[in-house]
Amino acid sequence: DGGITQSPKYLFRKEGQNVTLSCEQNLNHDAMYWYRQDPGQGLRLIYYSQIVNDFQKGDIAEGYSVSREKKESFPLTVTSAQKNPTAFYLCASSIGRGRFAQETQYFGPGTRLLVL
Amino acid sequence: AQSVTQPDIHITVSEGASLELRCNYSYGATPYLFWYVQSPGQGLQLLLKYFSGDTLVQGIKGFEAEFKRSQSSFNLRKPSVHWSDAAEYFCAVARNYGGSQGNLIFGKGTKLSVKP
Repeated sequence: DGGITQSPKYLFRKEGQNVTLSCEQNLNHDAMYWYRQDPGQGLRLIYYSQIVNDFQKGDIAEGYSVSREKKESFPLTVTSAQKNPTAFYLCASSIGRGRFAQETQYFGPGTRLLVL
Repeated sequence: AQSVTQPDIHITVSEGASLELRCNYSYGATPYLFWYVQSPGQGLQLLLKYFSGDTLVQGIKGFEAEFKRSQSSFNLRKPSVHWSDAAEYFCAVARNYGGSQGNLIFGKGTKLSVKP
């Protein structure tokens, strides 16, 4: 089955530690996205990538970093600079053939990050 | 700037009753609008989307939405709610300009509870 996988489901971070969230898709999509979800806040865009080896900051990129070395993978690193990392993180992808605004984004199951 | 407002944070309806979830957007041109549903601790699933044409859009699970330009609204409806519809519902508009086209701006969500 095609889809998006995120791992782990739960992740714990200690103070001063960087942690990396995994996102893999086998949908052959070019575009991938990372969102942060906080209770009562909806989803906010962290980073997005419309093609391999290229990515752009979203609305709340500070304290986060990404890479896009492979089409299938778009890992997100939450750095120690992110002072309030506790949230639910969602990865999404879309086909990315140019009409990005009309494309359906397909979401993974999410990773919940907690701070110890 | 584009924005999405979902005025109702939480709605409770009885099973079998009709449902309407409100969504208002701000955007000068024709918007690309989406409704997603999220079960607790899960990713988002697309219910329906509107780009152009017929202003009444049919989606999955018996949902429909009507685009009303004069009211800047895209309300989601279902004639008869089932207990399995209990979830959180998000309205979103896609940015449609420049390099950030396709990035979704989400409302803060409406949580739906269903009474037996």
